[in-house]
Amino acid sequence: AQKITQTQPGMFVQEKEAVTLDCTYDTSDPSYGLFWYKQPSSGEMIFLIYQGSYDQQNATEGRYSLNFQKARKSANLVISASQLGDSAMYFCAMSERGNQGGKLIFGQGTELSVKP
Amino acid sequence: DAGITQSPRYKITETGRQVTLMCHQTWSHSYMFWYRQDLGHGLRLIYYSAAADITDKGEVPDGYVVSRSKTENFPLTLESATRSQTSVYFCASTLAGSPSGANVLTFGAGSRLTVL
Repeated sequence: AQKITQTQPGMFVQEKEAVTLDCTYDTSDPSYGLFWYKQPSSGEMIFLIYQGSYDQQNATEGRYSLNFQKARKSANLVISASQLGDSAMYFCAMSERGNQGGKLIFGQGTELSVKP
Repeated sequence: DAGITQSPRYKITETGRQVTLMCHQTWSHSYMFWYRQDLGHGLRLIYYSAAADITDKGEVPDGYVVSRSKTENFPLTLESATRSQTSVYFCASTLAGSPSGANVLTFGAGSRLTVL
């Protein structure tokens, strides 16, 4: 069965520093997608970044990058130059085969706090 | 306004009562989803729908009923609410069949339900 694990319930980072949020996954399907979402204290779910299982290069979106290590089944989110507005809950998620249906399985989340 | 809207945003009810959470999207997305968010569990899929009149169970469907008579609406009904159904409920939607596989889910603002 597919599973997503985020082992860091909470993390602190100093403003302007980089931080890595861990995510490991388990699937026997060779075709899958990996997503990161941000949930600020206001509650909305904001899409950050996507990585497909066949993508050769790590995905990047502005200050966000996804460190995709297929053999280790990890998809860590790296946030560079942290800002106070990055304080939020972060969820890693995985899609099923080909993501044709968009159905996502989520991890438990990591709460990131950025210190000034 | 275009987007995905949920109503009500906040609801307090009593054990045994029927409650319906509404979800409406204006993008004509084929796929729609209901998730619940609880501390320590991340987001868990309740039900999803691939198109009008097509619905399927997710990870935690017990105690919930859905329908989708129109593409734009996907109501979630708790037929006899229980305290364990106290949660934040998110509706989401997506197009299907993206060539890149990145069928990003767009979420509503969430409905916070308290069952006393």
